[in-house]
Amino acid sequence: EAGVAQSPRYKIIEKRQSVAFWCNPISGHATLYWYQQILGQGPKLLIQFQNNGVVDDSQLPKDRFSAERLKGVDSTLKIQPAKLEDSAVYLCASSLDLEGEYYNEQFFGPGTRLTVL
Amino acid sequence: GQSLEQPSEVTAVEGAIVQINCTYQTSGFYGLSWYQQHDGGAPTFLSYNALDGLEETGRFSSFLSRSDSYGYLLLQELQMKDSASYFCAVDYGGATNKLIFGTGTLLAVQP
Repeated sequence: EAGVAQSPRYKIIEKRQSVAFWCNPISGHATLYWYQQILGQGPKLLIQFQNNGVVDDSQLPKDRFSAERLKGVDSTLKIQPAKLEDSAVYLCASSLDLEGEYYNEQFFGPGTRLTVL
Repeated sequence: GQSLEQPSEVTAVEGAIVQINCTYQTSGFYGLSWYQQHDGGAPTFLSYNALDGLEETGRFSSFLSRSDSYGYLLLQELQMKDSASYFCAVDYGGATNKLIFGTGTLLAVQP
């Protein structure tokens, strides 16, 4: 089965510019996550979707970050405007959560490495 | 608050056994996961413990003590390819599968 796909793999922008990342989860996975991983740290959850609804966006800096998951499949994460401290790897993950069932494994994509100059 | 503590670095030789500890303090707890991440790669799932005790999967085992808020990952018969970062992650969401990750332990396996 194909894994989680993300694009682009690398992005370099200047501060105050905008950037968008795309994620295609594993087919059939209802839950999709966006994480931010700063160098030397563990992934930090930004937002979690179940199908096309938001489950948790408590750690998403909503003044500059936005995310959507139209039709409950692909998702995009946008930063506008970017700051220097947004330099990080942005990881997308998905998990199989059927109604009434709980699967604890999350499958991660390769990530997008963002550098803000 | 929520916090997880792991050693920042561990070094071991090929063929040896290494234990990576994780202590946690979280407002909710449903289980403890372990993920492996090679440099520049994606995190990959290794194990999940919801109940106290030892779970074994091949060369890797994971242990949980809920009363001590403590767990560890045990890697046996170390191979060079095991050089990577290892993260413990607390599942605090239950059915919503929300994870908070530790800062990771960088394992260096030497010949």
